[in-house]
Amino acid sequence: GESVGLHLPTLSVQEGDNSIINCAYSNSASDYFIWYKQESGKGPQFIIDIRSNMDKRQGQRVTVLLNKTVKHLSLQIAATQPGDSAVYFCAERTPPGGGNKLTFGTGTQLKVEL
Amino acid sequence: EAGVTQFPSHSVIEKGQTVTLRCDPISGHDNLYWYRRVMGKEIKFLLHFVKESKQDESGMPNNRFLAERTGGTYSTLKVQPAELEDSGVYFCASSWSGTVYNSPLHFGNGTRLTVT
Repeated sequence: GESVGLHLPTLSVQEGDNSIINCAYSNSASDYFIWYKQESGKGPQFIIDIRSNMDKRQGQRVTVLLNKTVKHLSLQIAATQPGDSAVYFCAERTPPGGGNKLTFGTGTQLKVEL
Repeated sequence: EAGVTQFPSHSVIEKGQTVTLRCDPISGHDNLYWYRRVMGKEIKFLLHFVKESKQDESGMPNNRFLAERTGGTYSTLKVQPAELEDSGVYFCASSWSGTVYNSPLHFGNGTRLTVT
């Protein structure tokens, strides 16, 4: 699969538990952050985003937290389901780059155990 | 609506050959991006089109790579001649031209390129 040769950190959780995926971003000037989910054989899929003037944003079953002091981003998934198994990437946008010119993290493999 | 489509899904070529990847963005999306992940590395930005114009091509690795978007619709990425280090997955993504915060990227499933 696509992850061959790419040693990803792995998070294993039980179905129904909450998952927390962490990301340390690289640039304190970054103004926009996004979480993507990538399933095997597919492209990254948008989950949730957050601007740098916010510290928390909630979606359906997902919450993103931003701590600019320590350049840390986290994705919380409530009541994790088998369909949540995938690789999760954080991405940041740093000015003067605009639009969707993004810098991606290395990714975290989430495995949901039944 | 149809998503971003990429062709081919896989390509295996020999070093020195030429390969052309194609991307059809979501209809109405003016912004088109190419990203790639080479083995063991992160997904990295290659370039950005706004309609038919190259907005930013700072991520293109060298002059063996040529991207075009004639007519502002589909885009092609040609690698000529291909080298072993070009192996990886090439993603195309598109977004509309509204406020960027409301226009996340929609990715295609990628083209897996293997250069032998």
